[in-house]
Amino acid sequence: GAGVSQSPRYKVAKRGQDVALRCDPISGHVSLFWYQQALGQGPEFLTYFQNEAQLDKSGLPSDRFFAERPEGSVSTLKIQRTQQEDSAVYLCASSLEELVEGADNEKLFFGSGTQLSVL
Amino acid sequence: GNSVTQMEGPVTLSEEAFLTINCTYTATGYPSLFWYVQYPGEGLQLLLKATKADDKGSNKGFEATYRKETTSFHLEKGSVQVSDSAVYFCALTPPSPGGGADGLTFGKGTHLIIQP
Repeated sequence: GAGVSQSPRYKVAKRGQDVALRCDPISGHVSLFWYQQALGQGPEFLTYFQNEAQLDKSGLPSDRFFAERPEGSVSTLKIQRTQQEDSAVYLCASSLEELVEGADNEKLFFGSGTQLSVL
Repeated sequence: GNSVTQMEGPVTLSEEAFLTINCTYTATGYPSLFWYVQYPGEGLQLLLKATKADDKGSNKGFEATYRKETTSFHLEKGSVQVSDSAVYFCALTPPSPGGGADGLTFGKGTHLIIQP
């Protein structure tokens, strides 16, 4: 596709269930970010990949959150034993190049997100 | 730490009105500053950016000037249209070098509603 694709678009989970959220970045894109956007809030950084290497996972809120990008393309964000506070929109963004400077974030393309509701 | 504060919404204006959405930030040094827009059902899109003091970013009739002395990056448009209705986010990244992979710090967003 032409843009960053995320699936599913909506996910409803019962508390305690595991979920997996998928991000298909634009083909060939090196950099990939995951963000969490709670209702009424701005997106918050979760983790960053450069190709298959997870260079920064400092934003993951707990050890229940795990992200991978094994072949340097598709990425999956997994949340184990979901809690109600995990309810949010999860955004993926990718960039063709490595982001060196802050201004390089202008080259990011964002997906439409996965809306996760934990009941 | 870094933070961004922007005015609460929703902001409701009539078509052709003048728009200002206030944004102030807290960061050390000279961060890069951005405005993003999110239309219903779509992903975040970069609207404009500025990377150093007194820089003015502009796009689609929107403007914002990087004011170091007031740590502000207010978004303005002279005459809004119904199609400008969206949620607007102010954001920053840490100063270079190395600020690229640290991720964006966003404000909470301002919902703009333009009535015909």
